[in-house]
Amino acid sequence: AAGVIQSPRHLIKEKRETATLKCYPIPRHDTVYWYQQGPGQDPQFLISFYEKMQSDKGSIPDRFSAQQFSDYHSELNMSSLELGDSALYFCASSSRQGYTDTQYFGPGTRLTVL
Amino acid sequence: DQQVKQNSPSLSVQEGRISILNCDYTNSMFDYFLWYKKYPAEGPTFLISISSIKDKNEDGRFTVFLNKSAKHLSLHIVPSQPGDSAVYFCAASAATGANSKLTFGKGITLSVRP
Repeated sequence: AAGVIQSPRHLIKEKRETATLKCYPIPRHDTVYWYQQGPGQDPQFLISFYEKMQSDKGSIPDRFSAQQFSDYHSELNMSSLELGDSALYFCASSSRQGYTDTQYFGPGTRLTVL
Repeated sequence: DQQVKQNSPSLSVQEGRISILNCDYTNSMFDYFLWYKKYPAEGPTFLISISSIKDKNEDGRFTVFLNKSAKHLSLHIVPSQPGDSAVYFCAASAATGANSKLTFGKGITLSVRP
């Protein structure tokens, strides 16, 4: 079965640079979530989109922005990168049918800021 | 404030025996609970879930029990296999409505000894 695709898998940037992470959800999934996992930490929710509209926002810095496109893929844009942004970034997708929606995660993008 | 707590950072069991992974939560709005398995450098893999209208859900070797009054859930793996060795995250959401972001615990590292 098709899974969530994230690209790139690894990204190395310098401080103050910009990074763009991409997420392609499972076909027919209408909701995308972004999470950040720091070293030794649990994943923390950043932002979510439902049918291309932002549906919820968590602890996402103002330097970050995201959007979901007409084909349902999503991009997380990160500017003025800081050392503390080094983390694993996960995208998850779900289909909001019925009472609950189970989120399926991609393999993640490991961002290293030097 | 950690709303989902996995108080034991690690668990070691013998192959063939039962593994019991515990999770506690504090937010009474949570009504959907999930367990994810995670290997290093990979995304969380969905294992099993339970909604608050149930107290037990079973899928093969995996069973999740929910005690709402105690705000406690547990994952039972029977029999445990060496391939089960991984980090297990408990996650919760308030699934009704538009806000279904996941809140994760810190994770438990399970080691299954051959």
